[in-house]
Amino acid sequence: NAGVTQTPKFQVLKTGQSMTLQCAQDMNHEYMSWYRQDPGMGLRLIHYSVGAGITDQGEVPNGYNVSRSTTEDFPLRLLSAAPSQTSVYFCASRRSTDTQYFGPGTRLTVL
Amino acid sequence: LAKTTQPISMDSYEGQEVNITCSHNNIATNDYITWYQQFPSQGPRFIIQGYKTKVTNEVASLFIPADRKSSTLSLPRVSLSDTAVYYCLVALTGGYQKVTFGTGTKLQVIP
Repeated sequence: NAGVTQTPKFQVLKTGQSMTLQCAQDMNHEYMSWYRQDPGMGLRLIHYSVGAGITDQGEVPNGYNVSRSTTEDFPLRLLSAAPSQTSVYFCASRRSTDTQYFGPGTRLTVL
Repeated sequence: LAKTTQPISMDSYEGQEVNITCSHNNIATNDYITWYQQFPSQGPRFIIQGYKTKVTNEVASLFIPADRKSSTLSLPRVSLSDTAVYYCLVALTGGYQKVTFGTGTKLQVIP
């Protein structure tokens, strides 16, 4: 199993640009989440999903959209990037009674 | 969501036992306590999880008093490779999991 994979590893955007961060897992986990981690801070929950077709907002959802069309994939979309969205983004997945498995992260810089 | 409080940082010499305490005064009856470890530029990794009393695995021990308002992660004989940030989380397992990571405890192991 590859576990949780994220692409790209690094990305630089200009203010106002849009992009999608990809997340995939091959463990057939129902639950998937997106977190952001700012320097010296803990992880903050952006959006999460409890299964295909079901998503909900986390702690800091503004500026981000998600969808879950398949069990495996959970992309995070930035519609109009802002410098405040410069951060490291982690995707995680788990089964209903299991602990979370995290991806390697995407380091995003918005100029 | 139960809020957690941990020391911001700790230093320890190699070979010593390290105890990191987490306070979670408003833990709910069905909440579990989970600890994660995060190295720089990596996603958090599960260490140990417990509900009450003591749990031990090959990496660490977790001590939870009867009132469950705090927990202590114990790392036996730390090495330089244990230098990392350690997060304490309190949340339901099973069902959807909307958890929040605090700032964690930065452990620095000194040779």
